[in-house]
Amino acid sequence: DGGITQSPKYLFRKEGQNVTLSCEQNLNHDAMYWYRQDPGQGLRLIYYSQIVNDFQKGDIAEGYSVSREKKESFPLTVTSAQKNPTAFYLCASSIKGGSLGNYGYTFGSGTRLTVV
Amino acid sequence: SQQGEEDPQALSIQEGENATMNCSYKTSINNLQWYRQNSGRGLVHLILIRSNEREKHSGRLRVTLDTSKKSSSLLITASRAADTASYFCATETPETSGSRLTFGEGTQLTVNP
Repeated sequence: DGGITQSPKYLFRKEGQNVTLSCEQNLNHDAMYWYRQDPGQGLRLIYYSQIVNDFQKGDIAEGYSVSREKKESFPLTVTSAQKNPTAFYLCASSIKGGSLGNYGYTFGSGTRLTVV
Repeated sequence: SQQGEEDPQALSIQEGENATMNCSYKTSINNLQWYRQNSGRGLVHLILIRSNEREKHSGRLRVTLDTSKKSSSLLITASRAADTASYFCATETPETSGSRLTFGEGTQLTVNP
């Protein structure tokens, strides 16, 4: 089955700790994205990558870092500099840098991060 | 900042009725997309309408786009309890480094059996 896998589903972080959220896709999509969703709100873009070894900051990149060493993988690190990291994190991918055809973005099932 | 704004924020209807959700946006777009999110899950792509299209259908879904008013609507006909979810519009805008999607805050639809 083709799709996006996010892990873990739930993650607990202590104050001052860095944590890394995994996102893997086997759709052969060029572009990948990380969004943050707070309760009852829409999605805000953290980082995105159009090709391997390249990525751009989204609207709320402060306190986060990413890498894109492989086409299939786009891990997100939530650093200790992110002061309010408790949220639902969603990874997505798409064909090339946009929506060619009528397929839109494919999303993973999300990681819920809680600071304890 | 959020490009899209959905209206209403919440909508409660009876099974069999139609549900209409609206989305307004601020800047020029390549396309507008609608997504559905069940509670605690990822988003699922429903339909995409390009800036040069005015109306699109997919099963019980009908989407319209008015670029002069910078608005779109999503109509779900003959709703079912299983349609209960949050619905988001998202606009794709051209960027120098490649396109990206900007989401609204969503409409929470509840379909009562």
